[in-house]
Amino acid sequence: EAQVTQNPRYLITVTGKKLTVTCSQNMNHEYMSWYRQDPGLGLRQIYYSMNVEVTDKGDVPEGYKVSRKEKRNFPLILESPSPNQTSLYFCASSLRFGGATSQYFGPGTRLLVL
Amino acid sequence: AQTVTQSQPEMSVQEAETVTLSCTYDTSESNYYLFWYKQPPSRQMILVIRQEAYKQQNATENRFSVNFQKAAKSFSLKISDSQLGDTAMYFCAFMDYGNKLVFGAGTILRVKS
Repeated sequence: EAQVTQNPRYLITVTGKKLTVTCSQNMNHEYMSWYRQDPGLGLRQIYYSMNVEVTDKGDVPEGYKVSRKEKRNFPLILESPSPNQTSLYFCASSLRFGGATSQYFGPGTRLLVL
Repeated sequence: AQTVTQSQPEMSVQEAETVTLSCTYDTSESNYYLFWYKQPPSRQMILVIRQEAYKQQNATENRFSVNFQKAAKSFSLKISDSQLGDTAMYFCAFMDYGNKLVFGAGTILRVKS
């Protein structure tokens, strides 16, 4: 089954404790992206990757890191989480960079930073 | 920068009736894509319908259709024969050729029996 998976689905952590949210897709997609969803703001892009070893900042990259060592995986790293990073996070992928292809979303990761 | 505005935070509709969700956007681009995503209580993001800006014909997907007015930069979603399973948050989104989706704040739709 074609899908985007995220782990963990739920996470409670404390300020400053490094964490990683994994994202994996099995569709051989070139483009992957991370979004965060906050009430009243919709979803906002954090980082994106056009292909292996190619990443760039989205609209709200502060406090986050990403890597793209393999085509299928695009982990989101919070080196020192803070309470303002409490949010619902989505990973998404699409076949390639360039607007003709629709994006597929993972199931979301709900993060609470105390 | 592109912006997307959904002016209706919440709406309700009776089962089997028709409802229209509004969306306006701002861009200087001439070629782009517009989407409506549905987010049920499970929080999964589900693509409902997409529209290419170069196409004049409005997209339709079963009970879902759009009214795309390019000059007015308006992209409304019409849901016909509303069903209880349509209860969800609906997001309007814009995408240029850079693949970044810009989302509106969302509209909560409640379908009542």
